[in-house]
Amino acid sequence: GAVVSQHPSWVICKSGTSVKIECRSLDFQATTMFWYRQFPKQSLMLMATSNEGSKATYEQGVEKDKFLINHASLTLSTLTVTSAHPEDSSFYICSARADNEQFFGPGTRLTVL
Amino acid sequence: AQSVTQLGSHVSVSEGALVLLRCNYSSSVPPYLFWYVQYPNQGLQLLLKYTSAATLVKGINGFEAEFKKSETSFHLTKPSAHMSDAAEYFCAVTKRSTGGFKTIFGAGTRLFVKA
Repeated sequence: GAVVSQHPSWVICKSGTSVKIECRSLDFQATTMFWYRQFPKQSLMLMATSNEGSKATYEQGVEKDKFLINHASLTLSTLTVTSAHPEDSSFYICSARADNEQFFGPGTRLTVL
Repeated sequence: AQSVTQLGSHVSVSEGALVLLRCNYSSSVPPYLFWYVQYPNQGLQLLLKYTSAATLVKGINGFEAEFKKSETSFHLTKPSAHMSDAAEYFCAVTKRSTGGFKTIFGAGTRLFVKA
């Protein structure tokens, strides 16, 4: 199946700093990628749909100015958590669609101190 | 609107016993349904999917699920549990949205396997 990678796999940052997470489709092109957030022992919550060459579509309640999404190419989408705070600590997972199936990245563990 | 409900946040079985994880969906149109497995600190791995072909779907690792429209269910089963099956399992439905599709996940069921 298709492979989706994420970088970094984990990151620790200080409160107030910004963190960028990359999501790449390694062997296919993805016009649409998705960003999810998962709190401990909870399900995945869709944050936004990232569309190549256009603005991302954010789910209700997700601050687009805080979670900046850029889908600059058919194989790369980035999520930037701006001015991170401890409550932003979470597991962030991206996915991309190919052949009517979603493939998920391994996730990025963000810890904000 | 499409959604999924997973009954039971935790399920515990003995090694070798039947595994049954329950999922009910609500959908106004025939849905695409999925089961994913997640091991600690990892992403999701697709176990199987239903896309309106055969109602009994076989997946990886010996898992299968049956789509029952009359019961709006898509329960996941495995005849004999293995210790390595201990993980979090998510049922999901694909929902059409502006610009395409998106996947909505159930709350998840953690499977414990006792020796």
